[in-house]
Amino acid sequence: GAGVSQSPRYKVAKRGQDVALRCDPISGHVSLFWYQQALGQGPEFLTYFQNEAQLDKSGLPSDRFFAERPEGSVSTLKIQRTQQEDSAVYLCASSQRYYGYTFGSGTRLTVV
Amino acid sequence: TQLLEQSPQFLSIQEGENLTVYCNSSSVFSSLQWYRQEPGEGPVLLVTVVTGGEVKKLKRLTFQFGDARKDSSLHITAAQTGDTGLYLCAGADRDDKIIFGKGTRLHILP
Repeated sequence: GAGVSQSPRYKVAKRGQDVALRCDPISGHVSLFWYQQALGQGPEFLTYFQNEAQLDKSGLPSDRFFAERPEGSVSTLKIQRTQQEDSAVYLCASSQRYYGYTFGSGTRLTVV
Repeated sequence: TQLLEQSPQFLSIQEGENLTVYCNSSSVFSSLQWYRQEPGEGPVLLVTVVTGGEVKKLKRLTFQFGDARKDSSLHITAAQTGDTGLYLCAGADRDDKIIFGKGTRLHILP
């Protein structure tokens, strides 16, 4: 597609529920990134893939967060046993290396 | 840990005025990028600067990368209400991973 597509756009989860957020990057982009953005803040790095390899997951806040990109294109960010502090916008971006990122519109997760 | 400090955090000025936003770090970056983000949307890339001392212009916006590749500035000439938004600087390391500053929320008054 022409841009990075994220789904769902909005997700309301009950505390303790598992959620899965999907990212469809620009075709051919090798690098894929996940960021978490709290209200009024800049995006915080979560994890990074080059093709199917997860090269850096240092930003994942806990072992409840898991990301995968099994075929080197679509990626899924999974959050298990959601908690209120997980409420944020989750942004996905893809990159053709050194030319800047293209971001999706994000998934706004609200945990109630 | 690499950190990017942006200043000011908030800026409210009259239409027609000039302004400068700063992005500073103690770390050296391979490149530095500026993004603009509207409510409910992801950040949109404005410019990437790669070479120390580089200056890029985008209409009324002028971006500069510091000689040591640790800092950058964004200057807007004759601000317009359409410039209102969140401006984010982001530094990239050699692995193309970027870290963001906290952003500057700019509000241009008519």
